[in-house]
Amino acid sequence: AQSVTQLDSQVPVFEEAPVELRCNYSSSVSVYLFWYVQYPNQGLQLLLKYLSGSTLVKGINGFEAEFNKSQTSFHLRKPSVHISDTAEYFCAVSGSYNTDKLIFGTGTRLQVFP
Amino acid sequence: DTGVSQNPRHKITKRGQNVTFRCDPISEHNRLYWYRQTLGQGPEFLTYFQNEAQLEKSRLLSDRFSAERPKGSFSTLEIQRTEQGDSAMYLCASSSPRGPTLYEQYFGPGTRLTVT
Repeated sequence: AQSVTQLDSQVPVFEEAPVELRCNYSSSVSVYLFWYVQYPNQGLQLLLKYLSGSTLVKGINGFEAEFNKSQTSFHLRKPSVHISDTAEYFCAVSGSYNTDKLIFGTGTRLQVFP
Repeated sequence: DTGVSQNPRHKITKRGQNVTFRCDPISEHNRLYWYRQTLGQGPEFLTYFQNEAQLEKSRLLSDRFSAERPKGSFSTLEIQRTEQGDSAMYLCASSSPRGPTLYEQYFGPGTRLTVT
């Protein structure tokens, strides 16, 4: 069975500071990895995905993530955050043999302060 | 491309009543998914369609839940005899089986159900 752990439920940070949101996964098969963002009262928006190839993937809004197979991690980073980045961030995994459903972590609330 | 739409956006119902939600996916997407999200949790997979065929159902989907996608376009999710534990946000997503957006699921705004 696959699972996703987001170790930090909340991450407070000041505007223009760097941020890292941590994600670890567990799977017995090769996986595809995703980060989604959810703004209040809205659906989820895809930030970036890792399917194969380069382990450093770049997404929208200046975010990037690095796939580390040995550490089973897929941490999300941004070098300088804005107030508008305040939202809930979800890491998700799907198995490459069953790519149809996403298994989500419990989310990390990023709060950016001025 | 108008994105995934869901109706209604909010639904308040009394325990024991039946409710039905609708999802309209992105027009060229043949895959459609339903998820449920409770407060403070990530979305949980409920069921998945490819065209009109329902290919997978979660154990979370009790006998009171049924989903359909009769013509491979829009989908409905019905909950019979609602319980307070059904209160949640119900999210719909769709995806395309090919092209640069392969494996990307696009989510609608959700339907928030409150059972009183």
